[in-house]
Amino acid sequence: DTGVSQNPRHKITKRGQNVTFRCDPISEHNRLYWYRQTLGQGPEFLTYFQNEAQLEKSRLLSDRFSAERPKGSFSTLEIQRTEQGDSAMYLCASSLPAREKDGYTFGSGTRLTVV
Amino acid sequence: SQQGEEDPQALSIQEGENATMNCSYKTSINNLQWYRQNSGRGLVHLILIRSNEREKHSGRLRVTLDTSKKSSSLLITASRAADTASYFCATALFNTDKLIFGTGTRLQVFP
Repeated sequence: DTGVSQNPRHKITKRGQNVTFRCDPISEHNRLYWYRQTLGQGPEFLTYFQNEAQLEKSRLLSDRFSAERPKGSFSTLEIQRTEQGDSAMYLCASSLPAREKDGYTFGSGTRLTVV
Repeated sequence: SQQGEEDPQALSIQEGENATMNCSYKTSINNLQWYRQNSGRGLVHLILIRSNEREKHSGRLRVTLDTSKKSSSLLITASRAADTASYFCATALFNTDKLIFGTGTRLQVFP
């Protein structure tokens, strides 16, 4: 297990198209998180899962955004009808349960450009 | 929304000097963490300090936490060019596993 894997690394899409990103966490981590980061800013929380259950969603996650973790392993983040304002780096992270947590392990991110 | 704010926003130093970054936050926390991000990459966890701890060390890193002032500092001693990166503080609140990240400090270390 080499860490958190995100695919694709880069995605360029036309406004109005749908895009889907995938995140494969560290296998023994039951927590999985999605963040969005724009240039010069810190990561902004989008949502997180404990196993397959989505426990919290940010107000940033409009109805065009949906995330799933169907079997408690990998997760997908879909953006429907993309807008130019969706251009950002989308980061996935995973961690152990809170009582054992020693920080998140992040993937390298998926950079989305909406043209 | 972002709870943490880092100061300074940018810092330039020479190799061998120490770098100090500060983080302020707004609400009570369970723990505070520091992360490093190289340009265009994911974040790397550096160190975690719990709310009942006041200071922690890891190699060339020293973190302090003052819960009465709702602030933390990260000191990198004897900096190297490879320390060039953005550094973020992140707070973990009670009753949630999510981290809230600050705005970051961009550190440039010149050889």
